Amino acid sequence: EPEVTQTPSHQVTQMGQEVILRCVPISNHLYFYWYRQILGQKVEFLVSFYNNEISEKSEIFDDQFSVERPDGSNFTLKIRSTKLEDSAMYFCATRGQGIYEQYFGPGTRLTVT
Amino acid sequence: AQRVTQPEKLLSVFKGAPVELKCNYSYSGSPELFWYVQYSRQRLQLLLRHISRESIKGFTADLNKGETSFHLKKPFAQEEDSAMYYCALSPRQGGSEKLVFGKGTKLTVNP
Repeated sequence: EPEVTQTPSHQVTQMGQEVILRCVPISNHLYFYWYRQILGQKVEFLVSFYNNEISEKSEIFDDQFSVERPDGSNFTLKIRSTKLEDSAMYFCATRGQGIYEQYFGPGTRLTVT
Repeated sequence: AQRVTQPEKLLSVFKGAPVELKCNYSYSGSPELFWYVQYSRQRLQLLLRHISRESIKGFTADLNKGETSFHLKKPFAQEEDSAMYYCALSPRQGGSEKLVFGKGTKLTVNP
């Protein structure tokens, strides 16, 4: 069964550094999402992306965050200058046309020191 | 604002016992409600969607708009049901597809 994959599984970075989290969606999926889960807290929506545009973003998704699909396959989340409070599990999810279910990746654990 | 509340952080039952995981939501419109499950070391996966009104792995959930609840039930719990369960809401208003999650309930089914 096709699955969403994410790399890396764990990323450790220093405060102020840029990080790029990568997601490979299920092929033929056209809708992409990023969520994050700070330890002990809820899974929170960050952004949705369709047709090379952001379709919705949360107030968490400020100017430090950006998303793109640079090569038509990977879907990336970039954090320009990481803060300690960005430490969290980041989940990518993707959805096919006419399908309601969002398929989640295994997550990337980001640790900012 | 949309909010999902799962009042129980932990729930422990014995195998064969009924189980009910509670979920209440707050939203002024007509949301779509889901239950997601995360088994140990696995990814989040959809368990149930209120619109489909189906039973998956013996679990059912009924949307009660009057009580704004979407409790998940199973009459006879199995050990393999042990997992983290998340209730989620999708507003669907203005085309929004985001999922708003509750904090989750960790279900442990003891032998």
